[in-house]
Amino acid sequence: DAMVIQNPRYQVTQFGKPVTLSCSQTLNHNVMYWYQQKSSQAPKLLFHYYDKDFNNEADTPDNFQSRRPNTSFCFLDIRSPGLGDAAMYLCATSRDAGGEQFFGPGTRLTVL
Amino acid sequence: LAKTTQPVSMDSYEGQEVNITCSHNNIATNDYITWYQQFPSQGPRFIIQGYKTKVTNEVASLFIPADRKSSTLSLPRVSLSDTAVYYCLVAPNSNSGYALNFGKGTSLLVTP
Repeated sequence: DAMVIQNPRYQVTQFGKPVTLSCSQTLNHNVMYWYQQKSSQAPKLLFHYYDKDFNNEADTPDNFQSRRPNTSFCFLDIRSPGLGDAAMYLCATSRDAGGEQFFGPGTRLTVL
Repeated sequence: LAKTTQPVSMDSYEGQEVNITCSHNNIATNDYITWYQQFPSQGPRFIIQGYKTKVTNEVASLFIPADRKSSTLSLPRVSLSDTAVYYCLVAPNSNSGYALNFGKGTSLLVTP
């Protein structure tokens, strides 16, 4: 089945140690998104790609970077994780901007 | 950017119809209204999207008045499995420099 896959599902890292989360899609969608969701809060958009065009939200910390090497894959790099970066990270795709988004299961990040 | 306001929580009994209203007073002309459902530890799932009047699919209806400053998600005959958080999202359906703002969500509890 076509889907959005996130690896790993659970990630533990140490304070300040770089970590990379990955997302892949078999939907061949143009848009890929990364959201951060903390406990009992709504998903917060970090950035998104429309094809190769990168769109960074104004309040996304510089500590967060993203790469989209091809249509299928997108990566979230956290250069120096802090305790406040512990959260669920959700990847989503949509065929076009503003259209129905298909979410992956998320990666839960723990920072020790 | 259209900001959304929803009730924090709602309770319902099984078999009842549930209506969740979202306010989006500064919705723009090219904004669409989308609703998502989220269960704990899962990514949000698309429910329905609309621009004006009424949209219905197999799981819900979306009512949008003429001024489009609010919208109502209607869930007919809810079951226990409809217990979830419901998010209203307003975004343009084009890649013209937009942001996707999830509202704080409405936590729906369905009891027997």
